[in-house]
Amino acid sequence: DIQMTQSPSTLSASVGDRVTITCRASQSIRGWLAWYQQKPGKAPKVLIYKASSLESGVPSRFSGSGSGTEFTLSISSLQPDDFATYYCQQYHSFWTFGQGTKVEV
Amino acid sequence: EVQLVESGGGLVQPGRSLRLSCSASGFTFGDYAMSWVRQAPGKGLQWISFTRVKAYGGTTEYAASVKGRFIVSRDDSKNIAYLLMNSLKTEDTAVYYCVRVWALPPRSDIFDVWGQGTMVTVSS
Repeated sequence: DIQMTQSPSTLSASVGDRVTITCRASQSIRGWLAWYQQKPGKAPKVLIYKASSLESGVPSRFSGSGSGTEFTLSISSLQPDDFATYYCQQYHSFWTFGQGTKVEV
Repeated sequence: EVQLVESGGGLVQPGRSLRLSCSASGFTFGDYAMSWVRQAPGKGLQWISFTRVKAYGGTTEYAASVKGRFIVSRDDSKNIAYLLMNSLKTEDTAVYYCVRVWALPPRSDIFDVWGQGTMVTVSS
């Protein structure tokens, strides 16, 4: 099974900050990586797919990069609505999520 | 509006069974593969099952943690997906989400529509 490891687990930031979250796969997943945002009590929502493609309707301050085993999600200027938990997900071989990164004030 | 609505959650004793339903609307259900994802209280997301469309045999896949205990199925005539959970354990306690799996490139295989989730509590 492919394991996904995110870092950090928690990230403290302020509005306007640039934020970067890292996700590592236990083996190469090429570019088959997605990022999801989840707010408390809500279902996750897809932000990025295929490592760097922005889902329709997602603000352009979100961006993704990477391939193989190392990936990043960046938020260029953190907005109040962005405080949430973010998960990476590989879909090279079935699906596996990272453990999540909580972005907090 | 594209929508998935789960039902059937609740409190169940260890070793018993429970069946969840996922009612789909706003899209041609039979054209999409479906998955179930769960989230234990305060924990992360775990994919647990996948059902292909009938055109690809309607076959199923399971995560190791539920294989042999959980069974997924679908009724395309009713636009409903089911998750039958047998031999439930306390560690199966979680919110269970029904998820649509997008079929076409370049977004193929991503979880693009989620239900609101239904809570399953396994406790004596």
